[in-house]
Amino acid sequence: EIVLTQSPTTIVASPGEKVTVTCRASSSVSYIYWYQQKPGASPKPWIYDTSNLASGVPNRFSGSGSGTSYSLTINTMETEDAAIYYCQQWSSSPWTFGGGTKLELK
Amino acid sequence: EVQLVESGGGSVQPGRSLKLSCAASGFTFGNYAMHWIRQAPTKGLEWVASISPSAGGTYYRDSVKGRFTVSRHNAENTLYLQMDSLRSEDTATYYCATHDYIGFAFWGQGTLVTFSS
Repeated sequence: EIVLTQSPTTIVASPGEKVTVTCRASSSVSYIYWYQQKPGASPKPWIYDTSNLASGVPNRFSGSGSGTSYSLTINTMETEDAAIYYCQQWSSSPWTFGGGTKLELK
Repeated sequence: EVQLVESGGGSVQPGRSLKLSCAASGFTFGNYAMHWIRQAPTKGLEWVASISPSAGGTYYRDSVKGRFTVSRHNAENTLYLQMDSLRSEDTATYYCATHDYIGFAFWGQGTLVTFSS
């Protein structure tokens, strides 16, 4: 099973700040997918195939990486970005998720 | 508009069974692989099971193999998860989700499975 480890577990950021979430895989994966989940809501697809933004995702978000190291970056943090972000892989069954990174507003 | 509506959750005793349903609308259900994903209270996401569009292929995480059965009725646009021999560690909100090129593309609102003694 491919284990995805996200860091940090929690980020506290101010509006306008640049934020980076890292996802490390225990084995190489072809792509990473990111999901956003807000309290009481279902997760939403956010970034697919490592770097492509899902429909409606603001372009202040970006994704990058390869092999075992991937990241999600917010260029300038906004209030609405406070949420939990999960990375996920489709390269090898069982499909696994990272433990999540909680992004809080300062 | 794509809609996925889960039902069937509730409080159950360990060792008993429960059957979850996911009613789909707004898309051609029979064209898409479908998944069940769960989230224990205050925890992260865990993929549980998948089924191919024609139901010819089913896939499970090891911890539920032999206990859970995923199925679908394409004519009724419904996905199911039969859960037998339930354990306390199966406590979670269970989501159904579609699968396309962006990953788990659409999610239902989830149905909660809890345990009573």
